[in-house]
Amino acid sequence: QKEVEQDPGPLSVPEGAIVSLNCTYSNSAFQYFMWYRQYSRKGPELLMYTYSSGNKEDGRFTAQVDKSSKYISLFIRDSQPSDSATYLCGATSGTYKYIFGTGTRLKVLA
Amino acid sequence: GAVVSQHPSWVICKSGTSVKIECRSLDFQATTMFWYRQFPKQSLMLMATSNEGSKATYEQGVEKDKFLINHASLTLSTLTVTSAHPEDSSFYICSARDSGGGNEKLFFGSGTQLSVL
Repeated sequence: QKEVEQDPGPLSVPEGAIVSLNCTYSNSAFQYFMWYRQYSRKGPELLMYTYSSGNKEDGRFTAQVDKSSKYISLFIRDSQPSDSATYLCGATSGTYKYIFGTGTRLKVLA
Repeated sequence: GAVVSQHPSWVICKSGTSVKIECRSLDFQATTMFWYRQFPKQSLMLMATSNEGSKATYEQGVEKDKFLINHASLTLSTLTVTSAHPEDSSFYICSARDSGGGNEKLFFGSGTQLSVL
């Protein structure tokens, strides 16, 4: 079992839709969680970072962590074609080891 | 957010030559940096963990004599692909750990596309 599992997609949604991206993890030691956006042939860009259960909002993005069920989510409101990218979830326990999901490819259709 | 600068963005070289890729943390000190390799439409593959002032830790299957990593300062790590061959052609990405303020954020460089002819 992978330490972080993520549905690879692809996920296609119409412009303006609410997008839900999800990951599960198995390591209870994970304390810090991240979401990245990666455009083709670019490095991943840190979108959201959180270290506690609950919701964290930044503009159109909301990161949600449920440590009891080991579930992390990223919601994108009012999705735009420019949001089309691959989204990576990541986690770490703070011991220099970062584990990433395989990434979900998102396409927002104009 | 913090910035990690990676150069060059792309490089084309002849088989047998060596290529150096630089990764710099511009506004924070990074005692730990990571190097990844990524194939098209695939996930990040961790190659090695680079710690400032000590030898890098390589993942299983990664040739340390082929992929030389140097982390001589708190803001710079370099990856040298020695005697590059066409099979080394790939997208290489670095990341730097920002542990300031009790955080454990990880920031990535913009990546380097290596093409070996």
